[in-house]
Amino acid sequence: GQNIDQPTEMTATEGAIVQINCTYQTSGFNGLFWYQQHAGEAPTFLSYNVLDGLEEKGRFSSFLSRSKGYSYLLLKELQMKDSASYLCAVRDPTGGFKTIFGAGTRLFVKA
Amino acid sequence: DAGITQSPRYKITETGRQVTLMCHQTWSHSYMFWYRQDLGHGLRLIYYSAAADITDKGEVPDGYVVSRSKTENFPLTLESATRSQTSVYFCASWTVGGGELFFGEGSRLTVL
Repeated sequence: GQNIDQPTEMTATEGAIVQINCTYQTSGFNGLFWYQQHAGEAPTFLSYNVLDGLEEKGRFSSFLSRSKGYSYLLLKELQMKDSASYLCAVRDPTGGFKTIFGAGTRLFVKA
Repeated sequence: DAGITQSPRYKITETGRQVTLMCHQTWSHSYMFWYRQDLGHGLRLIYYSAAADITDKGEVPDGYVVSRSKTENFPLTLESATRSQTSVYFCASWTVGGGELFFGEGSRLTVL
């Protein structure tokens, strides 16, 4: 079956670093995505990993290990505006390209 | 303007009524998707479409109907709305070989 797990909530301090983990079990794999979603808004794309390793984009980095079914999103130099939900998603090509989402991690950044 | 648009953005209806949520994209993306988002469940896939006249069920298709007669449109119909279908609905599109999904702004549906 399809399963994507990530922590429900996390709290971190402004200026700090936070790591949000994601584990997945899917029928097939064609890429792992991280999206940011502020309350009342649509998800916005943050990162995409299809090969193992680390992808860095400014203050955000994402890591993938396909053999372990594991990814993390690293946010550096946290800002108050980073308070949002972070969604881990996997594209599964089995039977048609579907993107399956985890339940999301709500991140609270405190001063 | 290019992009993906949903309508209506907000809808209140009563139990048993038929409701159609519209989704229109201008990129000619082959794939389109409908998700619903509820607290504690994240985004759950309702239906998706690989091309015009090709649709398939996602994780939670019961109570919903879709059609795709044209590449750019992918309407979602609730034939007889129930309170459990109160949710925020997101439409998204993607093209094979591309990266991320592109989302519409969402349609907030309340069923009384």
